[in-house]
Amino acid sequence: QQQVKQSPQSLIVQKGGISIINCAYENTAFDYFPWYQQFPGKGPALLIAIRPDVSEKKEGRFTISFNKSAKQFSLHIMDSQPGDSATYFCAAATYNQGGKLIFGQGTELSVKP
Amino acid sequence: DAGVTQSPTHLIKTRGQQVTLRCSPKSGHDTVSWYQQALGQGPQFIFQYYEEEERQRGNFPDRFSGHQFPNYSSELNVNALLLGDSALYLCASNVFGLVDWHYGYTFGSGTRLTVV
Repeated sequence: QQQVKQSPQSLIVQKGGISIINCAYENTAFDYFPWYQQFPGKGPALLIAIRPDVSEKKEGRFTISFNKSAKQFSLHIMDSQPGDSATYFCAAATYNQGGKLIFGQGTELSVKP
Repeated sequence: DAGVTQSPTHLIKTRGQQVTLRCSPKSGHDTVSWYQQALGQGPQFIFQYYEEEERQRGNFPDRFSGHQFPNYSSELNVNALLLGDSALYLCASNVFGLVDWHYGYTFGSGTRLTVV
């Protein structure tokens, strides 16, 4: 019940295309859903996050879509750039627990020029 | 402004040995969490320290223990190392109790532990 399942495992997109990564969770106590970006040799960095009281959040080229009834959420990267090539992780947490993140397995994104 | 710093960056140990990893939180942060990231996997929560006490713990055996010092820095200790303990160990810090704790949740670059 603590798992977060992420797909696909890897993704190849052409420059300018849309990258879509999906996640699903089981624990209905989760109420905070961040996405992290990790480059080789670095720790994960927060990209964008959403609370379940909204269905969509957009920051620049990055958008989170959230479906509470289906217990699914996704990351869309518009106009994908080679610099976006990295590993992306979805995560979930119980907001009032303040700091325990449950991560998905990760998606390795490669954006081809 | 220094972020989260971890040492050492790389470490090779033999099965059965003990290891200590170190973490200095971001300036102004008082809470430290540790994660284990196996190759090709997402980080897994080990435990969290605040006010020098373990506040939350993930599903890890007692071989994994930690400590937090009065200056908020932290150590992760792993005893009786197994080959399966080979991973990137990440430290993250934040300010305890803030409503928007997540915006400041900052990871270090990790310590790569190899057990041979």
